[in-house]
Amino acid sequence: AQSVSQHNHHVILSEAASLELGCNYSYGGTVNLFWYVQYPGQHLQLLLKYFSGDPLVKGIKGFEAEFIKSKFSFNLRKPSVQWSDTAEYFCAVNAHGNQFYFGTGTSLTVIP
Amino acid sequence: EPEVTQTPSHQVTQMGQEVILRCVPISNHLYFYWYRQILGQKVEFLVSFYNNEISEKSEIFDDQFSVERPDGSNFTLKIRSTKLEDSAMYFCASSASLDRGVGNEQFFGPGTRLTVL
Repeated sequence: AQSVSQHNHHVILSEAASLELGCNYSYGGTVNLFWYVQYPGQHLQLLLKYFSGDPLVKGIKGFEAEFIKSKFSFNLRKPSVQWSDTAEYFCAVNAHGNQFYFGTGTSLTVIP
Repeated sequence: EPEVTQTPSHQVTQMGQEVILRCVPISNHLYFYWYRQILGQKVEFLVSFYNNEISEKSEIFDDQFSVERPDGSNFTLKIRSTKLEDSAMYFCASSASLDRGVGNEQFFGPGTRLTVL
């Protein structure tokens, strides 16, 4: 069965600190990869996605993610976080068919 | 910007009752999904729907669940006889394409929080 692992359950950072959230998946074939963000009281929104091509993907709000196929990873990064980045972050994988497999999410708290 | 909408935002029901959760997908999307998230757990796929029929479903989606597109805009999830363990946030999503080479991101609604007492 497919699985998506997010190892950081809760991350607390000060503003301007750098962020890296880990995501690993278990499927060995071709995958589409996504990071979604859920701000407090809001719905899931797409941050960025990878389908093919350049493994370094840039998304909205200064976020980027790097697909490393050999490590089955798709880590999310941001060089300098802001208080407004406080949210829940979900990694998702689409390996076949049309269902998405989600990680358990990482709660990010940014302290002003 | 078009978005997926869901009603109600919060539904409280007694165990054994039927509930219908409603979703309005983005208007030009053709693929529709339901997911659920039990408090503190991951978002789990329930079912996908295309061309008026279920295209995929998970083990969670048993005979107590059904989906329907009753008209050109709504997409509903019915739970026939709710159980305590059905308490969760239910998310509807839609996508324009299944073409994994082009882009098949799913757009999510705000969710319906179902509480079964």
